[in-house]
This record gives sequence, structure tokens and C-alpha cells, in this order.
Amino acid sequence: KAGVTQTPRYLIKTRGQQVTLSCSPISGHRSVSWYQQTPGQGLQFLFEYFSETQRNKGNFPGRFSGRQFSNSRSEMNVSTLELGDSALYLCASSSGLAGRETQYFGPGTRLLVL
Amino acid sequence: DQQVKQNSPSLSVQEGRISILNCDYTNSMFDYFLWYKKYPAEGPTFLISISSIKDKNEDGRFTVFLNKSAKHLSLHIVPSQPGDSAVYFCAAGYVGGYQKVTFGIGTKLQVIP
Repeated sequence: KAGVTQTPRYLIKTRGQQVTLSCSPISGHRSVSWYQQTPGQGLQFLFEYFSETQRNKGNFPGRFSGRQFSNSRSEMNVSTLELGDSALYLCASSSGLAGRETQYFGPGTRLLVL
Repeated sequence: DQQVKQNSPSLSVQEGRISILNCDYTNSMFDYFLWYKKYPAEGPTFLISISSIKDKNEDGRFTVFLNKSAKHLSLHIVPSQPGDSAVYFCAAGYVGGYQKVTFGIGTKLQVIP
């Protein structure tokens, strides 16, 4: 089974721009969660999508948004980029049916905002 | 407010010895706990988990202990191997949170050959 894939792997943007990151989950998985990893903050939960619906949300401003398509692929968008948005963005997938499930992470997209 | 705390940013252990990584949590709603391992340039990989109804779970060289009254868990690696050198994240979740998991900031383990 192919693992979770994320594109692009690296991205450089400037302040004020917007960015879209993509995540393809493991085949058959319907839940996709997004996390932001920064030094000193660990992984912080952004949101979870299940069957095209946002099921849970972390404490991030509205500039961070996401969506999920019928094939379970997910995108997250960050508008009006700030320097502090520089981070590794990770997505994780699971079947999403039972809760307490193991989440499988992709390699991440490293975003640098200049 | 960090609900999952890993107070040791790094740990060095000799090969063959025991590695003990610690984690504290504050949210009483958490009812399952996980450990993930992360190598550079890779996403975290699941290592082991424990439900709040248990106080110990073992998988090969890895054992997780949970002390609910102290809101503390620990990961023991015996014996430690150089390939175990990575960043270890403690994480916690709860029923009703769906797949939302709260992570600690990680502990970097170095196993010295």
C-alpha cells in the first residue's frame, strides 16, 4: 500500500501571499488531519476532515483553511502569509471510523515565508 | 497552555542500556496515549499506544507505562540501539475528539554506539 503523500515537499513564499498544500491519504482512508510543526511548539493540530466534512478544528486563525475531496485527498490553504507561518506542515490519514486509531503521517511540506 | 509536556528536550544513552522518555499531561479527558518516532525529513511514525484502562503496554523492546493519578507516562526502550536515535513525541487523545491528537514538543534521543 502506498503511504501518505504530500506535495510540494518544499515551498518558499513571501509575506502576504497565499499557499495551497496537498495531501493524498492511504488508499481507503477517509480521515485526513493536518498539523503544524515548529521548533519549540511540537506538532499542533490544525483540523481534521472526514468524508469531505471538517470534523474537528484546532486553535488557528481563519487564515488557515482546508477541504477534502470525494476521493479523500485534502488540501490546506493559508492566506495572507506571515513570517510565523514558516513551519513543517504534516498531514496524517486513518480510516477515521473508530477513533483512537493510528494515524499515518506523510513526510510533510516545509514552508518558508520570507 | 501545553496539555502534553515533554520536559526533557534531549537524552543520550549508551547502546544496550535502557532509554526512558517521560511525558506529563494535564487534561483529564485524555483517555489514550501514543508515542511517535520521527527521523529527520520524514513524518512521525507510530510506535506504541496505551489506553487509560491499562497501566502498561509492551511491544518488543518498547514498553509504555501510564500512571493516571500522576498524569504521567513513560516510554522504556530496552535495549537501546543506535537506530533508535530520533525525536520521540508523546501524544494524547480522547473519545469525542475523533482523530485530534495533542502532541508534546518531543525529546531527541541519541543512542551512542
